[in-house]
Amino acid sequence: DAGVTQSPTHLIKTRGQQVTLRCSPISGHKSVSWYQQVLGQGPQFIFQYYEKEERGRGNFPDRFSARQFPNYSSELNVNALLLGDSALYLCASSWRGAHSGNTIYFGEGSWLTVV
Amino acid sequence: KNEVEQSPQNLTAQEGEFITINCSYSVGISALHWLQQHPGGGIVSLFMLSSGKKKHGRLIATINIQEKHSSLHITASHPRDSAVYICAVSDSGGGADGLTFGKGTHLIIQP
Repeated sequence: DAGVTQSPTHLIKTRGQQVTLRCSPISGHKSVSWYQQVLGQGPQFIFQYYEKEERGRGNFPDRFSARQFPNYSSELNVNALLLGDSALYLCASSWRGAHSGNTIYFGEGSWLTVV
Repeated sequence: KNEVEQSPQNLTAQEGEFITINCSYSVGISALHWLQQHPGGGIVSLFMLSSGKKKHGRLIATINIQEKHSSLHITASHPRDSAVYICAVSDSGGGADGLTFGKGTHLIIQP
């Protein structure tokens, strides 16, 4: 079975632009979470979706938004990009959620550079 | 909000040494995860703990719920164990169902 897949793997954007990152969870997993990892730091929680509904949101501005589709794949959108948005964006999936004590599986991440 | 602290931040050891990485957290949790991240960025889940001890190959993870502390041990360390090891916790109760991460421990095993 395929693991968690993310696309694109690397991208460069200009300040003020918008970006969409995509994630396909492991087959059968209904929970998808998004994390931002700035170089040298641990990941920070952005969003969690379960059964196509937002179940949690971290301390990120409204420029960050996400959604989950009927096939449980997910998109993360970031508007009005700032230099500080440059980071590795990680998607994780699990059958339910990390809160439920399920093992979580991470994708390889999308490296975003804002110039 | 949970605060997760890991120690040490950096660790260099010789092949074969016994390695211990520590994690402490400030608020009660539903589960604690030990994760491994290689330079390419991908993260692999090593253990999920809610109590006691788990072992997988040369890796052992323990958790003390009363003391809010967990340790990850690596026996007979090998250069391929070189990676960043991250502790992450799931908060108990309601609220955002995301993980809170430590900053990671950068481990280098020299041959």
